[in-house]
Amino acid sequence: EVQLVESGGGLVEPGGSLRLSCAASGFTFTNAWMTWVRQAPGKGLEWVGRFKSKTDGGTTDYAVSVKGRFTISRDDSRNTLYLQMNSLKSEDTGVYFCARVGVETIDDWGRGTLVTVSS
Amino acid sequence: IVMTQSPATLSVSPGERATLSCRASQSVTTNFAWYQQKPGQAPRLLIYGASTRATGVPARFSGSGSGTEFTLTISSLQSEDFAVYYCQQYNNWPPYTFGQGTKLEIK
Repeated sequence: EVQLVESGGGLVEPGGSLRLSCAASGFTFTNAWMTWVRQAPGKGLEWVGRFKSKTDGGTTDYAVSVKGRFTISRDDSRNTLYLQMNSLKSEDTGVYFCARVGVETIDDWGRGTLVTVSS
Repeated sequence: IVMTQSPATLSVSPGERATLSCRASQSVTTNFAWYQQKPGQAPRLLIYGASTRATGVPARFSGSGSGTEFTLTISSLQSEDFAVYYCQQYNNWPPYTFGQGTKLEIK
C-alpha cells in the first residue's frame, strides 16, 4: 500500500522559512516522479512543483507563483521528499500535499500538512 | 492551459444521475483526469486518460470527452459521492492545471 506522510507544517511569519517533509513507503521511491500540490483554505488545488526520478534526469520544475522561493529536493536513501519554502507570503497559506506521479498523472496523495503564514 | 468547470455547485438527489463538465482553453487530447475530494481529505484519482477508471473506482463513475470538452457522469448517486470534484489536464505540463472544482451536494 502506498503511503505518503507529510510533516513540518506550522505557523510562520511573513518572510520566514519552513521545510516540509514527505515520507514515502509502499512503492519504489527511487523510480518515482514526485510532486507537491497545495490548497488554500476553502479554495481549489494548485500545483507547486515536481521532482523527476534520477533515472529520468532528476530535474525540478516549479509553478510561477513559487519559483525562486521554493525548492524541492529528495533523499532516495531515506525515501523522503522535501519542500523548502523561503520568503513566505500570506498567500502561501494552505494545506500542502505530497503526491506521486503515476504512469499518467498524480495517483497517490498524502493527507497534507497545514502551513499558515501570518504575523 | 485554463480549465473551467461547470456548474460551480450541483444539487442532486441520491439515486439520480449527476453530470459534471470541464472545458480546457486548448486541446489536451485525452490527457485529462478527474479527482474527488471530501472535506478534510486528500484528493482521490477517479478517472485518467479521460475515460479510464482508477483502481477501485465504482463503475457508476464514467468519464468521456477529448480535446477541450469533458464530462464526468455518476449514474446513480450514493451518499458517499457528495464531495467536490476537480478536473485536471496533464497534456502540457508543467504546470499541471486544475479546474476550480464542482461541489456536488445533496438536494
